[in-house]
Amino acid sequence: NAGVTQTPKFRVLKTGQSMTLLCAQDMNHEYMYWYRQDPGMGLRLIHYSVGEGTTAKGEVPDGYNVSRLKKQNFLLGLESAAPSQTSVYFCASSYGSTRVQETQYFGPGTRLLVL
Amino acid sequence: QQQVKQSPQSLIVQKGGIPIINCAYENTAFDYFPWYQQFPGKGPALLIAIRPDVSEKKEGRFTISFNKSAKQFSLHIMDSQPGDSATYFCAASMEGGYQKVTFGTGTKLQVIP
Repeated sequence: NAGVTQTPKFRVLKTGQSMTLLCAQDMNHEYMYWYRQDPGMGLRLIHYSVGEGTTAKGEVPDGYNVSRLKKQNFLLGLESAAPSQTSVYFCASSYGSTRVQETQYFGPGTRLLVL
Repeated sequence: QQQVKQSPQSLIVQKGGIPIINCAYENTAFDYFPWYQQFPGKGPALLIAIRPDVSEKKEGRFTISFNKSAKQFSLHIMDSQPGDSATYFCAASMEGGYQKVTFGTGTKLQVIP
């Protein structure tokens, strides 16, 4: 049981390049999330998904797109990377309930540097 | 607009000391307050959580104190150990929707031997 895994662990991009970050979970969770973590800013939600085929915007969605074609995978895309997108990106998942507060399980993170 | 304010930004204590991390919130609709612990190079992991119907919750050496009227809550770590050195995030969420969690800005704790 690997939990939440993220690929790649580290990446360097040049401004304007594109890339896709992959998140996979093996816990059969309905909800999945993408966060970015920046010094002094905590964790900010980029996009989230409440089920296969659904996605929605979080607090800081500009410059990112997501897709959830399979329940276990959640992809985060950067179409044209900018230096402001230099950050550590975390994927998380949770069981999926609108009634009970539940734990979010985080992946190990992807460190992205945009030059 | 930051809805959960966390302090201090960093904290250094000696082994055996009791570090205290404080958080304050504004939205009275929040009804669940988790704390996450993050070690370097790892993702955050749930440490302990509290609901506003209780004023204190203990799990091992970790205690949350909650003051609903002041809209404040804090994490105390009893008999702190070097292995507790990590970044701690308070958070708040409300029932319904997609489990949106609002995180504080984090406190980097260092426990020195």
